Amino acid sequence: GENVEQHPSTLSVQEGDSAVIKCTYSDSASNYFPWYKQELGKRPQLIIDIRSNVGEKKDQRIAVTLNKTAKHFSLHITETQPEDSAVYFCAALGGGTSYGKLTFGQGTILTVHP
Amino acid sequence: DAMVIQNPRYQVTQFGKPVTLSCSQTLNHNVMYWYQQKSSQAPKLLFHYYDKDFNNEADTPDNFQSRRPNTSFCFLDIRSPGLGDAAMYLCATSRARDRTETFGAGTRLSVL
Repeated sequence: GENVEQHPSTLSVQEGDSAVIKCTYSDSASNYFPWYKQELGKRPQLIIDIRSNVGEKKDQRIAVTLNKTAKHFSLHITETQPEDSAVYFCAALGGGTSYGKLTFGQGTILTVHP
Repeated sequence: DAMVIQNPRYQVTQFGKPVTLSCSQTLNHNVMYWYQQKSSQAPKLLFHYYDKDFNNEADTPDNFQSRRPNTSFCFLDIRSPGLGDAAMYLCATSRARDRTETFGAGTRLSVL
């Protein structure tokens, strides 16, 4: 089955700095990679996603890059703000025997200091 | 305009006392999922329904069962809750297995 590794587990930045979170996956059949933001006590919210036929996607201050050859994808947040503080999860949607199953990374606790 | 609704938001039960959590959706999505999320961990998939087709994860304890009586509703039954079952339970839906999942707000279960 799919295995997703996420780093770092915690990330602390100053307001205005950039933040980068990296994930690797194991199943080459995985073709969809969402990123979720989860604030304390709340539901995971999709913030951006990318499919395997695209190398990069951007939405305002958030961007995701995908390297299918290396099986890794990254989340980039520019001009961070205190309200960006949350837990971020990457995920990979499996193919093959894991078809339709979303496997999550371990999460990154992002803290943005004012 | 909540689209995936979980009830209750907070549930307290006693050790060994059966409990049922519910999820409803107004999206008419084919797939419904149940996840367990413990503090500071990623959501862990318990099972999912594709229409009426039930798919259990290999490591989901037998203590956990699910029902989907119709497209809109899905239930999680915990037959004999243990202290280790205290967690946030998240319901999610998607139009198809390869589509974005939308999460409900979750039910936080406490076991006394």
